[in-house]
Amino acid sequence: NAGVTQTPKFQVLKTGQSMTLQCAQDMNHEYMSWYRQDPGMGLRLIHYSVGAGITDQGEVPNGYNVSRSTTEDFPLRLLSAAPSQTSVYFCASTELETQYFGPGTRLLVL
Amino acid sequence: ELKVEQNPLFLSMQEGKNYTIYCNYSTTSDRLYWYRQDPGKSLESLFVLLSNGAVKQEGRLMASLDTKARLSTLHITAAVHDLSATYFCAVDGGTSYGKLTFGQGTILTVHP
Repeated sequence: NAGVTQTPKFQVLKTGQSMTLQCAQDMNHEYMSWYRQDPGMGLRLIHYSVGAGITDQGEVPNGYNVSRSTTEDFPLRLLSAAPSQTSVYFCASTELETQYFGPGTRLLVL
Repeated sequence: ELKVEQNPLFLSMQEGKNYTIYCNYSTTSDRLYWYRQDPGKSLESLFVLLSNGAVKQEGRLMASLDTKARLSTLHITAAVHDLSATYFCAVDGGTSYGKLTFGQGTILTVHP
């Protein structure tokens, strides 16, 4: 099993550009989540999904869209990047009380 | 709104000493997690605490949960340099799994 994979590992964007952060898991987990990590603030939940076709907002959803067309994939879309979205993004899949975190994507918005 | 607070946020320890990190949360929760993060890395799961009075130990780390006080502790015994990292507690307060609210993190540095 590859576990949870994220691409890219690092990305630089200009303000206003769009991009998609990819997340995939091969463990057939229903629950998946996106978090962002900023210095001194821990991780904050952006969006989560309880299964294919079902998504909901977390604590900081503004500026981000998600969709879940398959169990395996949970992409995070930035439609118009802003410097405030500079952060490290972690995707996680969940089986009962165990979370499996991906390696993270470092995003810099100039 | 569920809030999770850790203290201290910064902890500088000498090797061989003991210390405790505290994690307070604001509403009833079914699951309390402790994670470790090394610089530039992802989160490593340390403990999952599921019931009042739960205690788990792994090496020099021991975690406990008091759901009545809404408090979890992570106790470090005889610290060694390899324990230097950032430690997070997180609470899963919803009926769905995977919706975690994290504390701010405690940056632990262990000095010789």
